[in-house]
Amino acid sequence: DADVTQTPRNRITKTGKRIMLECSQTKGHDRMYWYRQDPGLGLRLIYYSFDVKDINKGEISDGYSVSRQAQAKFSLSLESAIPNQTALYFCATGDGGRETQYFGPGTRLLVL
Amino acid sequence: SQKIEQNSEALNIQEGKTATLTCNYTNYSPAYLQWYRQDPGRGPVFLLLIRENEKEKRKERLKVTFDTTLKQSLFHITASQPADSATYLCALVSGGSYIPTFGRGTSLIVHP
Repeated sequence: DADVTQTPRNRITKTGKRIMLECSQTKGHDRMYWYRQDPGLGLRLIYYSFDVKDINKGEISDGYSVSRQAQAKFSLSLESAIPNQTALYFCATGDGGRETQYFGPGTRLLVL
Repeated sequence: SQKIEQNSEALNIQEGKTATLTCNYTNYSPAYLQWYRQDPGRGPVFLLLIRENEKEKRKERLKVTFDTTLKQSLFHITASQPADSATYLCALVSGGSYIPTFGRGTSLIVHP
């Protein structure tokens, strides 16, 4: 969905490196989320934010941090990447009024 | 512990038939349940939402049922087409949380 963009789309990094995944949205939603998806494990919530000053840990936040720079921007950082953080990462926004989520195209991350 | 179960085996059907996918849950009291479609390498796309006090919802060829006694939702695609081939995810949301918990998804393959 072009309304939610993620950069980069693909990234290869080495163990111990710090990397940032960025998410931008033009939908005007206050709620934003970061998920990771692994084969056979489904989508798991890393962090979520209900407005610029609200940051909450999700199910699997260890090893990750986030920054909500503006209503439209929500970044995910891996402070020191490790191989088991290899996954497909999705950003999503939430439309509280319609109770639906809108997902970005995903970032495929490989940690060597 | 809370659990959402979707059939991990792919569902194979012939074009024109009705596909029925199942989402079962335990230790959960959802306010509503969502169904999403996900194509390989892409983000999930919202399809339908059904609330705890609703029995059935329809949208074009799609139908969702929700039985809170059985703790089960059924997702039907009538007159299925090869273009319906994808993975379908169910997600449950507790009242006021706006935090969906996703099942692992079921792959649907529609053969021409």
